[in-house]
Amino acid sequence: LAKTTQPISMDSYEGQEVNITCSHNNIATNDYITWYQQFPSQGPRFIIQGYKTKVTNEVASLFIPADRKSSTLSLPRVSLSDTAVYYCLVALYNQGGKLIFGQGTELSVKP
Amino acid sequence: GAVVSQHPSWVICKSGTSVKIECRSLDFQATTMFWYRQFPKQSLMLMATSNEGSKATYEQGVEKDKFLINHASLTLSTLTVTSAHPEDSSFYICSASFSAGAEDTQYFGPGTRLTVL
Repeated sequence: LAKTTQPISMDSYEGQEVNITCSHNNIATNDYITWYQQFPSQGPRFIIQGYKTKVTNEVASLFIPADRKSSTLSLPRVSLSDTAVYYCLVALYNQGGKLIFGQGTELSVKP
Repeated sequence: GAVVSQHPSWVICKSGTSVKIECRSLDFQATTMFWYRQFPKQSLMLMATSNEGSKATYEQGVEKDKFLINHASLTLSTLTVTSAHPEDSSFYICSASFSAGAEDTQYFGPGTRLTVL
């Protein structure tokens, strides 16, 4: 299985850009990389998903190098409300898109 | 779009009773639904994968006779915790996707907090 490894915690300040890097050395050819955000006592919220290179949407960018063994979630100009746990996940192609959650990164944004 | 709801949002029950949790995809048809459990300060743990019209596939270590899953339609899956005990108290979260493909986004419900007394 494509296990993911990401920092346990990160601190930032309002207005800064935050980059969270995740490693997934065992990713398979047809697996996708996806990121979720979770607030306490809520279900995870989808942020962004990609297969290779760069993906950008209205809230974040996802950078994936050619070997796909890592990915970086970039959050531009974070605010206090971005304080949450961020999960990097690999959607397993051979197992119906199953997601196996790791420990996530607890991001704390300070004023 | 892509909204998933769960009912109830929280439930308290006595030990030995059964509790049913519903997961609905409100604006799309979900071929595949997943059920997770999350204990305080821990990550989500996948319990089972549910495909419409077929039996659920349970993860290793999850008792299929205790956690009954029914995916009767493309918009509804239910999880029944049978003979609940205090150790079953947890946050149960479902997710739904259009199909069983790695490229299809899983949309998560808001979760159900189960407390067994």
